[in-house]
Amino acid sequence: ETGVTQSPTHLIKTRGQQVTLRCSSQSGHNTVSWYQQALGQGPQFIFQYYREEENGRGNFPPRFSGLQFPNYSSELNVNALELDDSALYLCASSLGLAGGVGLFFGEGSRLTVL
Amino acid sequence: DQQVKQNSPSLSVQEGRISILNCDYTNSMFDYFLWYKKYPAEGPTFLISISSIKDKNEDGRFTVFLNKSAKHLSLHIVPSQPGDSAVYFCAASTVTSGTYKYIFGTGTRLKVLA
Repeated sequence: ETGVTQSPTHLIKTRGQQVTLRCSSQSGHNTVSWYQQALGQGPQFIFQYYREEENGRGNFPPRFSGLQFPNYSSELNVNALELDDSALYLCASSLGLAGGVGLFFGEGSRLTVL
Repeated sequence: DQQVKQNSPSLSVQEGRISILNCDYTNSMFDYFLWYKKYPAEGPTFLISISSIKDKNEDGRFTVFLNKSAKHLSLHIVPSQPGDSAVYFCAASTVTSGTYKYIFGTGTRLKVLA
C-alpha cells in the first residue's frame, strides 16, 4: 500500500508566476484535500475533491484552483503568485467523507515566492 | 477567527513523565476532534480522534479527553518517550454541504528530554 506522495518537494517562483503542485493519494482513497501551512501556523484548508469534483472550499481566492483525476490523483494550481503564497502545501487523502477517520498527509511541497 | 486554539507553543517534559497537550475550540458544532503529530520534513500523521459524543478515547500511551462544557480537549501521553518529540496539532471537523472540513490549531512543539 503506497502512501500519499507529492511533487515537487521544493520549488522557487517569482511573484506573478503560476505553479502546479501534484499529489497521488493513498491507494484506495477517493477524497483529496489540499492545505496551506504558513510558517508557525497550522494547516489551513484550501479545498477538497471527491469523485473528481470540488466538494468544499476554504477562504482562498479563485486563483487557487485544482483538479482530481479518475485515478484520484490531484493537482493544485496557483496563478498570479504573491509573496504571501510562500508556504508548505500539504495534500491529504481519505476514504469517503468520514470525519473521524482522519486524513493521511503527504510530506508537502514547500513553495517559496520571491 | 481562530476556531481551534493551542495556546502553548511549546512544552518540555522529562522522559517517562506525562505530557499533556491542550486545545480549546469555539464552535459547538464540531463533531470530531483529532490529534496529529508532525516531524520535521514530514507531513502530519494522524494520532487519535474522539467523537463529540464521547469524553475519552484511549489508544496505547495516548488518551484524548473532551470536556464539551468547557470546549476543551487534551492529549495525554504516558509515559513520554524521546521519539514523541514533535509538533502536535489539534484539529476539529465539521460538515458543510456534505463535506468534512478540518480546522487545525497552530500546534504545540513537544520536547521529551532523555
